[in-house]
Amino acid sequence: DQQVKQNSPSLSVQEGRISILNCDYTNSMFDYFLWYKKYPAEGPTFLISISSIKDKNEDGRFTVFLNKSAKHLSLHIVPSQPGDSAVYFCAAFTFYNQGGKLIFGQGTELSVKP
Amino acid sequence: EAQVTQNPRYLITVTGKKLTVTCSQNMNHEYMSWYRQDPGLGLRQIYYSMNVEVTDKGDVPEGYKVSRKEKRNFPLILESPSPNQTSLYFCASSLGGPAYEQYFGPGTRLTVT
Repeated sequence: DQQVKQNSPSLSVQEGRISILNCDYTNSMFDYFLWYKKYPAEGPTFLISISSIKDKNEDGRFTVFLNKSAKHLSLHIVPSQPGDSAVYFCAAFTFYNQGGKLIFGQGTELSVKP
Repeated sequence: EAQVTQNPRYLITVTGKKLTVTCSQNMNHEYMSWYRQDPGLGLRQIYYSMNVEVTDKGDVPEGYKVSRKEKRNFPLILESPSPNQTSLYFCASSLGGPAYEQYFGPGTRLTVT
């Protein structure tokens, strides 16, 4: 049972345009959502997070939107740059009865073309 | 430099031969965790530790053991590796737990034949 799903394995975007990466979840008890970016041959790095009490969080070119009623999360990158080409993972966490568990999605590989 | 280190980076072994992957962080983080990455499955949590001597199972703990005797170290032990444990493994740490930014190590590529 995949509680966090990223249904698009890959996404290709032109430099300067918007990249939108999507994530769906099934557990309404999730309290926090995070996005991580991963380059080949490196460990993931934290990008941005959002609490379930918010619907938007922005950090520079990166904005995460949360739609709790749809159980949907999206990451917007504007403008996209070639250096943004990486695999993006969304992840979710609940304080309730989960201790230190973090659930990741399958990842979306973003390719930003010059 | 703040970092999470893992050793070895690459390992090829045979079924049943016990192995340990070490993980160490120099940031005085309380929370540490192990993940495996497999194609199409993303990152899956194996075990985590909220503090010294406190460990708990993640989503895929079968076939793995961990220990947390010191704050900085969190080794992953495969007592009897099997080919389905061939994967890319990551260790991570954070100050406050999984809801906070985790710092990941560079990964260990394990192949079990």
